[in-house]
Amino acid sequence: DTGVSQDPRHKITKRGQNVTFRCDPISEHNRLYWYRQTLGQGPEFLTYFQNEAQLEKSRLLSDRFSAERPKGSFSTLEIQRTEQGDSAMYLCASSLGGPLSTDTQYFGPGTRLTVL
Amino acid sequence: AQSVSQHNHHVILSEAASLELGCNYSYGGTVNLFWYVQYPGQHLQLLLKYFSGDPLVKGIKGFEAEFIKSKFSFNLRKPSVQWSDTAEYFCAVNDGGFKTIFGAGTRLFVKA
Repeated sequence: DTGVSQDPRHKITKRGQNVTFRCDPISEHNRLYWYRQTLGQGPEFLTYFQNEAQLEKSRLLSDRFSAERPKGSFSTLEIQRTEQGDSAMYLCASSLGGPLSTDTQYFGPGTRLTVL
Repeated sequence: AQSVSQHNHHVILSEAASLELGCNYSYGGTVNLFWYVQYPGQHLQLLLKYFSGDPLVKGIKGFEAEFIKSKFSFNLRKPSVQWSDTAEYFCAVNDGGFKTIFGAGTRLFVKA
């Protein structure tokens, strides 16, 4: 499978715990995005990487959230001191790059987080 | 701030019926517009996109969308739906940057 992969697919945690999610983009894709999707809503943009540089962050990404993309390959999204409101599907997408008119985001299957 | 509004949260159609899903956005400048689809059990995937040029955009599986700038709309259409079109459809917009705003989605169920 050469698509975007995410791990784990499901995570259940207790409030106050830290969690980390991983995203492996399609090989050679230099753009990587994180989104959050709650029930009944569309994906909400969280952050964007061009190679290893984090170029844009949403105000939704509070101090408890941090994302990294070391070496411009896989990315991790960490949530510290989780809250029940963090329960959501966390989606990762990647794209090859180049002009936006020809660039297409490919989405992974998501990580479903449940905070008890 | 940009926002995207999808008029219908749930749509039920019989096979061969025509489909039109409404999408309106709020942003006064140049926009790029998208429709994404998520089939049951599958990843979100791009259906079609508009960046410039002909406002009537054709996508995969017989879908098309029309950009009407004066109405801030980008409605999705298909002349004759099939059972396999059952999915959730998301309209999205960005202003040329990398932050894409999605609508809440429309769940389409096509009766065989």
